[in-house]
Amino acid sequence: KAGVTQTPRYLIKTRGQQVTLSCSPISGHRSVSWYQQTPGQGLQFLFEYFSETQRNKGNFPGRFSGRQFSNSRSEMNVSTLELGDSALYLCASSLGPAGGETQYFGPGTRLLVL
Amino acid sequence: GESVGLHLPTLSVQEGDNSIINCAYSNSASDYFIWYKQESGKGPQFIIDIRSNMDKRQGQRVTVLLNKTVKHLSLQIAATQPGDSAVYFCAEETSGSRLTFGEGTQLTVNP
Repeated sequence: KAGVTQTPRYLIKTRGQQVTLSCSPISGHRSVSWYQQTPGQGLQFLFEYFSETQRNKGNFPGRFSGRQFSNSRSEMNVSTLELGDSALYLCASSLGPAGGETQYFGPGTRLLVL
Repeated sequence: GESVGLHLPTLSVQEGDNSIINCAYSNSASDYFIWYKQESGKGPQFIIDIRSNMDKRQGQRVTVLLNKTVKHLSLQIAATQPGDSAVYFCAEETSGSRLTFGEGTQLTVNP
């Protein structure tokens, strides 16, 4: 079974631009979560989607948004990019939204904002 | 083998030794915990998990211990190999499916 896939793997943008990242979950998984990883803040939860609905949201500004499609694929968008948005963005999928479901991570998208 | 009582950002061991990585979690109501391994340039890889109704769980060469009284998790790796070199994170499920991660421990295995 294929793992979680994320595209693109690397991205360079300039301040003020916007970016869209894509995540395809493991087949059969319906819950997708997004995390931001930086050297200073570590791994931080962004949001979680299940059945095309955002179920949970972390403490990030409104510039960070996401959505989920009927096939469980998810995208996240960051508008008006700032230098501090440079990070590894990780997507994780699990079977469902209930607690105790193991989340499996993709390889991440490395975003560099210049 | 190497053993640490508190979280350390780095841990260096000799190949073949046993390693113990510690983690403190924050929420006494958390009931699901996971250890992940992250190699350079890759996403976190699931190693082992444990639920709050257990205090020990074993996998292949790995054991997780949970002490709810002091909100402490540990990961034991037996016969550590060079391929075990990575950053190890503990994570607790705090709200719904939200994972809160620890700071991570860089494990280096010397041949």
